[in-house]
Amino acid sequence: DAGVIQSPRHEVTEMGQEVTLRCKPISGHDYLFWYRQTMMRGLELLIYFNNNVPIDDSGMPEDRFSAKMPNASFSTLKIQPSEPRDSAVYFCASSLGRTTDTQYFGPGTRLTVL
Amino acid sequence: GQQVMQIPQYQHVQEGEDFTTYCNSSTTLSNIQWYKQRPGGHPVFLIQLVKSGEVKKQKRLTFQFGEAKKNSSLHITATQTTDVGTYFCAGGNAGGTSYGKLTFGQGTILTVHP
Repeated sequence: DAGVIQSPRHEVTEMGQEVTLRCKPISGHDYLFWYRQTMMRGLELLIYFNNNVPIDDSGMPEDRFSAKMPNASFSTLKIQPSEPRDSAVYFCASSLGRTTDTQYFGPGTRLTVL
Repeated sequence: GQQVMQIPQYQHVQEGEDFTTYCNSSTTLSNIQWYKQRPGGHPVFLIQLVKSGEVKKQKRLTFQFGEAKKNSSLHITATQTTDVGTYFCAGGNAGGTSYGKLTFGQGTILTVHP
């Protein structure tokens, strides 16, 4: 298996622009997680899905952030409009079953908002 | 909500010295996982502990889960330069509204000087 795939790997955009991050989980995994990592705040869970349904979005910072999972093999995290404080590395992870099963992380998307 | 605290935040050691990072939860955990993130990389699963007082070893790494299932530690014997990275603990919620959710600690950044 190719593992969790994320695109793009790097994104540089200007403040106010819309940003869409993409993730393809490992085939057969029922859970998908979106994390944000910064030096100041560490690794933060933004939202997670079970069988394509959002279960907990309490970590989503504000209404500018939205996530979707239209099918079992694809998820997006959208920021609209983007702000400089959104600059971070965004990781997608998937797990086979329960949320406490091993999580497999993708390579991440490094987002820079100017 | 559940909080997972990890100390120290940074640790600098000489190659060959031992290293320990500690993880403490404000609530009882169902399990604890440890991940390693190399510089510029993504978190990679190391091990999971489930039972009270459990101890597991992986070569030079020793993992412990406290009797009360609220704390854990990772000990590396005779560090090598390949041990460089950030070590995260992640605790699974044992109950309440966040049952099953995995909460990551802030991580310990390990630097090994040759």
